Amino acid sequence: NFMLTQPHSVSESPGKTVTISCTGSSGSIARNYVQWYQQRPGSAPTTVIYEDNQRPSGVPDRFSGSIDSSSNSASLTISGLKPEDEADYYCQSYDSSNQVFGGGTKLTVL
Amino acid sequence: QLQLQESGPGLVKPSETLSLSCSVSGGSISETNYFWDWIRQPPGKGLEWIASIHYSGSTDYNPSLKSRVTISLDTSKKQFSLEMSSVIAADTAVYFCARRGFYNLFDPWGQGTLVIVSS
Repeated sequence: NFMLTQPHSVSESPGKTVTISCTGSSGSIARNYVQWYQQRPGSAPTTVIYEDNQRPSGVPDRFSGSIDSSSNSASLTISGLKPEDEADYYCQSYDSSNQVFGGGTKLTVL
Repeated sequence: QLQLQESGPGLVKPSETLSLSCSVSGGSISETNYFWDWIRQPPGKGLEWIASIHYSGSTDYNPSLKSRVTISLDTSKKQFSLEMSSVIAADTAVYFCARRGFYNLFDPWGQGTLVIVSS
């Protein structure tokens, strides 16, 4: 079964840049698009990146996504960190008719 | 603007069947390019995809849950539903419904509904 692995937690200071990785267990992560969702406590997830590197309207350009085929990983990078970026972040993709989520990464903005 | 709203019992006894509905407003449930999905999140844990349905009737299920889950859709009521049989405590979770687009983006999501499995 295809799995997506994320670090359990990351932390960084306001104004800095943080990158959250999402590594595919097999095959090529580049074969299907990767989405990234932000989830604040008590709320449903919202999209911050779709189709690997596209930002929905309303999401600041401090958020960016990329794919690295050599490491079979997707990455979410948040620059100029703000306290309101503190949340859980999930990557999501698809394999053999199944939707797959990463385990989630808790971002703490110190 | 499309909105989704989950509804159903918040408490289900072990071994019984969990039944949830998702009402769709502000848009059509019969659009060719979209699927309608259920996703759950146990307290303090991550997201788990459960099942998907297209208005044509095509369905997909998480293999780990497939034997206990049925997803259905009623175009006249603009609703889709989830049934999960033989529930256990580990099925306690917030259950979200969501629309999924062609490239597998889940958007929008419902607000989620907490289902507790307990006697």
